[in-house]
Amino acid sequence: AQSVAQPEDQVNVAEGNPLTVKCTYSVSGNPYLFWYVQYPNRGLQFLLKYITGDNLVKGSYGFEAEFNKSQTSFHLKKPSALVSDSALYFCAPNFNKFYFGSGTKLNVKP
Amino acid sequence: NAGVTQTPKFQVLKTGQSMTLQCAQDMNHEYMSWYRQDPGMGLRLIHYSVGAGITDQGEVPNGYNVSRSTTEDFPLRLLSAAPSQTSVYFCASSYSTGAAYNSPLHFGNGTRLTVT
Repeated sequence: AQSVAQPEDQVNVAEGNPLTVKCTYSVSGNPYLFWYVQYPNRGLQFLLKYITGDNLVKGSYGFEAEFNKSQTSFHLKKPSALVSDSALYFCAPNFNKFYFGSGTKLNVKP
Repeated sequence: NAGVTQTPKFQVLKTGQSMTLQCAQDMNHEYMSWYRQDPGMGLRLIHYSVGAGITDQGEVPNGYNVSRSTTEDFPLRLLSAAPSQTSVYFCASSYSTGAAYNSPLHFGNGTRLTVT
């Protein structure tokens, strides 16, 4: 069965420091990989996606994600965190339909 | 473009009542879907549609019905509300259909439903 895991319920980081939000998936085949962000009382917003090609994908608001095929991971990264990045982040591999991870709450402290 | 519009934003139902959650999109997307979001469980797919007249079940379809008479609208019906259906419901649409789901989902702002 297809599955996706976000092993950290919460990630805490100081403003200005780099951040990583982890995602691994289990699948037979090559899924499309997406990250979404959710701010309080809002729907999810698309951040970035990996379809094929370069393993480092750049997206909105300075975020990027690194695809690792051998580890079946797609970790979200940002070189310098902002307080305004505090939100809920979802990894969503697409195996003919979207499967969402349980989400990771990112807290960026001033 | 309004994007994906969901109504109502909030709803309280008593057990056994029925209601319809409305979803409309103005992007001419073929693919539309309904998710429920519960704490610690991420988003779970309820029903989806790849075009007008075509619907299919997702992971948690029991207790919900859908129809797709137009490209724009995809209402979700709760037949007999139960406390277990207390959740936040999101409608989402996408340009892609079939095996080539390489376009992102566009989400509405959700409906917060409480069943007492």
